[in-house]
Amino acid sequence: AQSVSQHNHHVILSEAASLELGCNYSYGGTVNLFWYVQYPGQHLQLLLKYFSGDPLVKGIKGFEAEFIKSKFSFNLRKPSVQWSDTAEYFCAVNAGGTSYGKLTFGQGTILTVHP
Amino acid sequence: DAGVIQSPRHEVTEMGQEVTLRCKPISGHDYLFWYRQTMMRGLELLIYFNNNVPIDDSGMPEDRFSAKMPNASFSTLKIQPSEPRDSAVYFCASSKQGYSPLHFGNGTRLTVT
Repeated sequence: AQSVSQHNHHVILSEAASLELGCNYSYGGTVNLFWYVQYPGQHLQLLLKYFSGDPLVKGIKGFEAEFIKSKFSFNLRKPSVQWSDTAEYFCAVNAGGTSYGKLTFGQGTILTVHP
Repeated sequence: DAGVIQSPRHEVTEMGQEVTLRCKPISGHDYLFWYRQTMMRGLELLIYFNNNVPIDDSGMPEDRFSAKMPNASFSTLKIQPSEPRDSAVYFCASSKQGYSPLHFGNGTRLTVT
């Protein structure tokens, strides 16, 4: 079975700071990788996804993530955060060949951005 | 597109009572998923359906939990009898095909006292 580890439980930044949220997974086979975001009081939304090809993927709102297969990592980055990025971020993995909805989620990282 | 609709938004009940959570997926989506979110365990997949048929219920914690999908536009998750440890946020999500990302509902916050 796969597992996902997000190393930071709570990250606090000031606006314009750079962001990197760590995500490591444990699974020996082909994986599909996702980052979801949950803004306060809202439902989870897809931020970006990696299926195959270019390991650097770009998502909405200026976010990007890099898949490093040798490190089993899929870290989320943003060069300059805004107050509106305050949310909880979830990394998720899906074993290749199964429905993309059958996800194993990390514990989540709460991002607080101060204006 | 109204999104995935869950009801109720909040449910408070006493231990031992039956609880029914409801979900209406996005029209045309043929996959439906039930997830549970707790502080201790994070987000966990409980069960998912394809074309109204349960495909994988290995995440259902015990026999007190049951889920049904009588038609393409409605699903229920039932807990009978409920226990305090069932307190969590329950999310329903749907996708158009097996290889499309999920659309989540707003969740039902369940509190069992």
